[in-house]
Amino acid sequence: DADVTQTPRNRITKTGKRIMLECSQTKGHDRMYWYRQDPGLGLQLIYYSFDVKDINKGEISDGYSVSRQAQAKFSLSLESAIPNQTALYFCATSEASGRALNEQFFGPGTRLTVL
Amino acid sequence: GNSVTQMEGPVTLSEEAFLTINCTYTATGYPSLFWYVQYPGEGLQLLLKATKADDKGSNKGFEATYRKETTSFHLEKGSVQVSDSAVYFCALRSGGDKLIFGTGTRLQVFP
Repeated sequence: DADVTQTPRNRITKTGKRIMLECSQTKGHDRMYWYRQDPGLGLQLIYYSFDVKDINKGEISDGYSVSRQAQAKFSLSLESAIPNQTALYFCATSEASGRALNEQFFGPGTRLTVL
Repeated sequence: GNSVTQMEGPVTLSEEAFLTINCTYTATGYPSLFWYVQYPGEGLQLLLKATKADDKGSNKGFEATYRKETTSFHLEKGSVQVSDSAVYFCALRSGGDKLIFGTGTRLQVFP
């Protein structure tokens, strides 16, 4: 079984709808991240969480919110989806600082299309 | 601020050709440097890493050397295979333990 899973893998929705993307991990890592990937822009950090009680904004948090329900679960929500949020979304995890050089382990991605 | 610049792709090569993908960075202090690879339809996977100047990271025939004097971490492979076709991302570990990624370079290897 995959260590980092994302659901759904693909989603098509309409402008104005609320969408939740979910991420689960079995690696036992404290840190979790949400990125979006756009062609030619690489990965941009949306939100990150260093433990269950710690949530931080990344580079492009506007229009998004997150919830860290447990160490193993980190959800990303689009409260009112808009077309320019069409992208590939990745969840990632890592151990705490000082161990394993902050190597991040990525899920398979969720392709979101907002019409 | 911290940033990573990669050569634009796609890079198109024949099998067994030599590969170089350039990566330069801007950062304060001594960041750790990484190369990640993304195969079609998959998430990113760590390919190799280096933590200090003159370190050489290597994996699966790929190598990259941390050059502080030129702020570079170029990825090289002596003989590419069709299975190496993927998107390659250079990244650095910035303050706060976040990763800063480059824009990615697509490699296409033909038989």
